[in-house]
Amino acid sequence: GENVEQHPSTLSVQEGDSAVIKCTYSDSASNYFPWYKQELGKRPQLIIDIRSNVGEKKDQRIAVTLNKTAKHFSLHITETQPEDSAVYFCAENTGGFKTIFGAGTRLFVKA
Amino acid sequence: EAGVAQSPRYKIIEKRQSVAFWCNPISGHATLYWYQQILGQGPKLLIQFQNNGVVDDSQLPKDRFSAERLKGVDSTLKIQPAKLEDSAVYLCASSISGASYNEQFFGPGTRLTVL
Repeated sequence: GENVEQHPSTLSVQEGDSAVIKCTYSDSASNYFPWYKQELGKRPQLIIDIRSNVGEKKDQRIAVTLNKTAKHFSLHITETQPEDSAVYFCAENTGGFKTIFGAGTRLFVKA
Repeated sequence: EAGVAQSPRYKIIEKRQSVAFWCNPISGHATLYWYQQILGQGPKLLIQFQNNGVVDDSQLPKDRFSAERLKGVDSTLKIQPAKLEDSAVYLCASSISGASYNEQFFGPGTRLTVL
């Protein structure tokens, strides 16, 4: 069935440390994996994405890795800053146009 | 460019009442999505339109929810009658097309409280 498991549900790090959020999917037909950031009371916004033909993608302090064999993908944030505090959602697109979101990870970056 | 517009931003109703939400996607975006986001959860797709046709409505509770996009531009989502468990933020999103790798742009959402 269609399902995305996301861990951890809450993550607290010290400013400057790294944060890693992991997601596992079940549909082997999934071919696109976006990550969204949602600040309190605001709309989700795409921060990075990866397609199934790529193993890793970086954009400044954020990176995403994909392991198709194990069906999991991860978000890595380095040198965290207080403004990185938000809820982060992983998602998968099953190839049938439908996007399935994970339950979210609430990241706290302590100054 | 203007983003996805939604109205109203907030709505409070009593159970068994009806409510309608409106969404205007980014100009030129063929695909429009309605999501339900319950507090503490990720968005759940309710319905997806490609122009004025329905692509996926498998998670839409069709006994009480309905949606339309008659002219392939703006869309309305209706709940009739509302239940307590419908309390959530209803997010509208749009993308250039329904291809899997197209970025979805979200509107500000409508926060519905059912009393």
